[in-house]
Amino acid sequence: ELKVEQNPLFLSMQEGKNYTIYCNYSTTSDRLYWYRQDPGKSLESLFVLLSNGAVKQEGRLMASLDTKARLSTLHITAAVHDLSATYFCAVDSRYSGGGADGLTFGKGTHLIIQP
Amino acid sequence: ETGVTQTPRHLVMGMTNKKSLKCEQHLGHNAMYWYKQSAKKPLELMFVYNFKEQTENNSVPSRFSPECPNSSHLFLHLHTLQPEDSALYLCASSQAGGSYNEQFFGPGTRLTVL
Repeated sequence: ELKVEQNPLFLSMQEGKNYTIYCNYSTTSDRLYWYRQDPGKSLESLFVLLSNGAVKQEGRLMASLDTKARLSTLHITAAVHDLSATYFCAVDSRYSGGGADGLTFGKGTHLIIQP
Repeated sequence: ETGVTQTPRHLVMGMTNKKSLKCEQHLGHNAMYWYKQSAKKPLELMFVYNFKEQTENNSVPSRFSPECPNSSHLFLHLHTLQPEDSALYLCASSQAGGSYNEQFFGPGTRLTVL
């Protein structure tokens, strides 16, 4: 059974601090996705990581992928209140290399950034 | 309309009712998906459609019946639901067959079963 595990599941931090969210997965896929969800809203795609060593950055968020360790990280630099949300990582459920494929999600990390 | 739209946004139904959820994608994608998000479980994949053909049913009870008349529209027909089916139902679409499977989600339908 494919497993995607995130930690921590809940994180409260102060503005200006740095922190990292971890995502471990059990598949051999080299593709990983990060999404953001605001309360009562849908999922917004943040990053698509396609290969070992991939690193992507958008503003204060940086995501990386280590396929050998089956680990992805989402690093937050100098956090601001607007980044408060729930962050999900996901992998392709079957990864047959083509065709439609559902995603298997982690439980999500509920991030609260306090002034 | 842009992106992925879903209607209705909120739905309250009794256990004996029949209702349908609608999803439409305006992204030119060829694959569509239904997911369930409840408080007790992580996001769960329900159904996958590729070029309007169902390619995956993730052991979903038969009281949920999907329909995909074309690549842009997806429905979820509901009948004789249980209170534990109350959840946020999310529709997504993607361009399958490419180098990655980035999925774009609609706003969801918040379903309450009484």
